Amino acid sequence: DAGVTQSPTHLIKTRGQQVTLRCSPKSGHDTVSWYQQALGQGPQFIFQYYEEEERQRGNFPDRFSGHQFPNYSSELNVNALLLGDSALYLCASSYYSGSDNEQFFGPGTRLTVL
Amino acid sequence: LAKTTQPISMDSYEGQEVNITCSHNNIATNDYITWYQQFPSQGPRFIIQGYKTKVTNEVASLFIPADRKSSTLSLPRVSLSDTAVYYCLVGDMWQTGANNLFFGTGTRLTVIP
Repeated sequence: DAGVTQSPTHLIKTRGQQVTLRCSPKSGHDTVSWYQQALGQGPQFIFQYYEEEERQRGNFPDRFSGHQFPNYSSELNVNALLLGDSALYLCASSYYSGSDNEQFFGPGTRLTVL
Repeated sequence: LAKTTQPISMDSYEGQEVNITCSHNNIATNDYITWYQQFPSQGPRFIIQGYKTKVTNEVASLFIPADRKSSTLSLPRVSLSDTAVYYCLVGDMWQTGANNLFFGTGTRLTVIP
């Protein structure tokens, strides 16, 4: 049983470009959350998707957008990249229960903006 | 909004019990307390979750006082492989619309032989 997978592993972009990161949740999971982790910092919550809808959103600008597909996989899109967007982007999946807050994280995508 | 405060780092010898405390003075009624472990270049891994009192599983215990303004992760008899960053996360991931999932800056635990 594969866990959470993310692609690509690493990515290098230049300022102003757009990027799309992908996530496949753990089998049986229907909820996907995205986090940004800067070097030396804890993960910062970006948003969460369930039933193809954004359920929660952190304090991130509209340049950060997402999508969830019928097979529960998800994409994170970032437009007009800034140097400060360089970070490890983590995807976490879970099964909607209304109480259990356990999330399974993928290995992340390392984004470098030059 | 619940935010968390943890010690930046801790050292411990192998075989000792380690207690890491997280402060979350503004925790909301619906918030859960969840602890994660993270190794370099990996995503965080769930350790334990609680709402109040004490929770124990096969790897750790979580102590939460009645006022829920803090929590303590207890790792029994640590080994070298427990060297990692430990994060306290406070929030309710199922509360629609709310921006209430906060990881702290984490506690870097170093286990010494």
